[in-house]
Order: sequence, then C-alpha cells, then structure tokens
Amino acid sequence: DAGVIQSPRHEVTEMGQEVTLRCKPISGHDYLFWYRQTMMRGLELLIYFNNNVPIDDSGMPEDRFSAKMPNASFSTLKIQPSEPRDSAVYFCASSLGVGLFQETQYFGPGTRLLVL
Amino acid sequence: ELKVEQNPLFLSMQEGKNYTIYCNYSTTSDRLYWYRQDPGKSLESLFVLLSNGAVKQEGRLMASLDTKARLSTLHITAAVHDLSATYFCAGVNNNDMRFGAGTRLTVKP
Repeated sequence: DAGVIQSPRHEVTEMGQEVTLRCKPISGHDYLFWYRQTMMRGLELLIYFNNNVPIDDSGMPEDRFSAKMPNASFSTLKIQPSEPRDSAVYFCASSLGVGLFQETQYFGPGTRLLVL
Repeated sequence: ELKVEQNPLFLSMQEGKNYTIYCNYSTTSDRLYWYRQDPGKSLESLFVLLSNGAVKQEGRLMASLDTKARLSTLHITAAVHDLSATYFCAGVNNNDMRFGAGTRLTVKP
C-alpha cells in the first residue's frame, strides 16, 4: 500500500483565497483524521471521520474551516477565506476501525501551507 | 480539558546512555500514544498504550502507562544517533486527543 497520500505537498496562497487540501487514506481504514501543526500551538486534532461520517469537529478553529469525506478513499479540508495565521503543516492520518483511538494511526506526508 | 505536559523539552545525550522522557496529563486519559517526528517529516506512530500498566517495547524504546499517576514514560536504552528526533505523547479524554509539546532528542557520538 502506498500509505496515506496528501496533496498538494506545498501550497502558497494569498490572504482571502480559498485553499483545498486533499487526502487519500489507506485502503480499508475506517477512521480518518485531520491535524494541524504550528510552532505556536503544536499539534492539534481538527476533525475526524468514521466510515466517511464526521464524528467530532470540535477542533476546527473557525467556521472558515470545513472538511468533507465524500467516499472512503478521499477527504478534503477547505479553508475559505484563508488568513496568514492559517499557515501551518496539515497532516491527514488514517487507522483501522477496531475502535476510535485504539489503533495505530498512519500519517501522510503533510501539506505545508503558507498564506501571505 | 485534557492537558499534556512532556519533560524535558530538549534532551541531549551521548550514545550508549539511557534516559527517560516523561509525559504527564491533567485528567483521565485511558489511552496514550507516542510518536516520533524527524525534522521536516511526518509523524510515525511508535506505541499505543490502552490500559493501566501497559508496557510496550520496540528496539531501544520502551513505553509504559500508569493511569493512576497520570504518567507515561518513554525509556531509551543505549541510545544511538538514529534515535535523534522529536518525540510526542498524546492523551485521549472523551474522544478529545491532546498532544504534548514534544521532546527534541539529540544523540551525540
């Protein structure tokens, strides 16, 4: 398996623009997680899905952030409009569905976002 | 809200030495993760500890969980340069996952 795939790997955009980050989880994994990593705030869990259904989005910082999982092999994290403080590395991870937070999570390479 | 504290935040050690990284958390966390991150890279899951008294070992790393003390440890035995990385712990409370700030480990020859 190719592992968790994220695209793009790097994104530079201007404040106010819409940004869409993409993730393909490992086939057969039932859970998908979106994380954000910054120097100031460290690692944060933003949202997670089980069988394509959003379970908890309490970590999503603002209404400008939204995430979808239209099918088992694809998820998006959208920021609209983007702001400089959204600059971070965004990671997607997936895990098997034995139980939430009971299985090893496999992380993608991350998307490094810079909002100017 | 669950708070997770790691110490030390920076650790420089010589090859061949042993050391322990500590992860304390503020409220109930019945699951504890340890991750490794190399500079500029993604996270690699090292251990998932699911119950009090759980101990897991992989190579030179051993992790344990004491839910009563709200403490997890990551013990490094006979460190080698390849272990240089940042190590994060993360706890879970009511399906809310919180990370520690990370321990940046440097192993010197």
